[in-house]
Amino acid sequence: QSALTQPASVSASPGQSITISCTGTSSDVGGYNYVSWYQHHPGKAPKVMIYDVSNRPSGVSNRFSGSKSGNTASLTISGLQAEDEADYYCSSYTRSSTLVLFGGGTKLTVL
Amino acid sequence: EVQLLESGGGLVQPGGSLRLSCAASGFTFSSYTMSWVRQAPGKGLEWVSGIYNSGDSTYYADSVKGRFTISRDNSKYTLYLQMNSLRADDTAVYYCAKSVSGHWDAFDIWGQGTMVTVSS
Repeated sequence: QSALTQPASVSASPGQSITISCTGTSSDVGGYNYVSWYQHHPGKAPKVMIYDVSNRPSGVSNRFSGSKSGNTASLTISGLQAEDEADYYCSSYTRSSTLVLFGGGTKLTVL
Repeated sequence: EVQLLESGGGLVQPGGSLRLSCAASGFTFSSYTMSWVRQAPGKGLEWVSGIYNSGDSTYYADSVKGRFTISRDNSKYTLYLQMNSLRADDTAVYYCAKSVSGHWDAFDIWGQGTMVTVSS
């Protein structure tokens, strides 16, 4: 089964906002409200930023928000900070026996 | 402190086997679904396998089905991944991950990872 589709890279200046998209199908992103977003700094463990499309775990900044429309989910980061520079991955529950699909990842550069 | 600690990675020849372990602490291990997720060098994250709280339901990515076996020992707070018939494209950092309560996806606790290199 194919990975979810994310842009390879996005960039913006500190203080600005960015949105990362994650496109799947009706068998995964569009079919369930089980989309998560992870922040991954190289060499460290990934960190969940959003789950169930828009739920933010305790301790995660409210600058991070998630949404979904049809087969596409989105992660928005507002008030960009230097420490937000990382790789971001979406994931979704899927109807297939694979159960969980990840996106290809998006490298966020804070200029 | 909630923690996951992987071990068992290393260098193995193509066709060989390896068993990864993940020791959990700081939470009631038997209450949560657990998974293995890997990242090949220069690539993205890939979900590999998941196991239900009690161990009676297991799922696998198509890329490892029939070669990898996930299991758990709730009395030892330990998750395992038995990897057989290893191939070069199995080379990756392998993370164990705990799911948010009631979820198969949404991994809220991750280990630091263990490197598996398949090469002759």
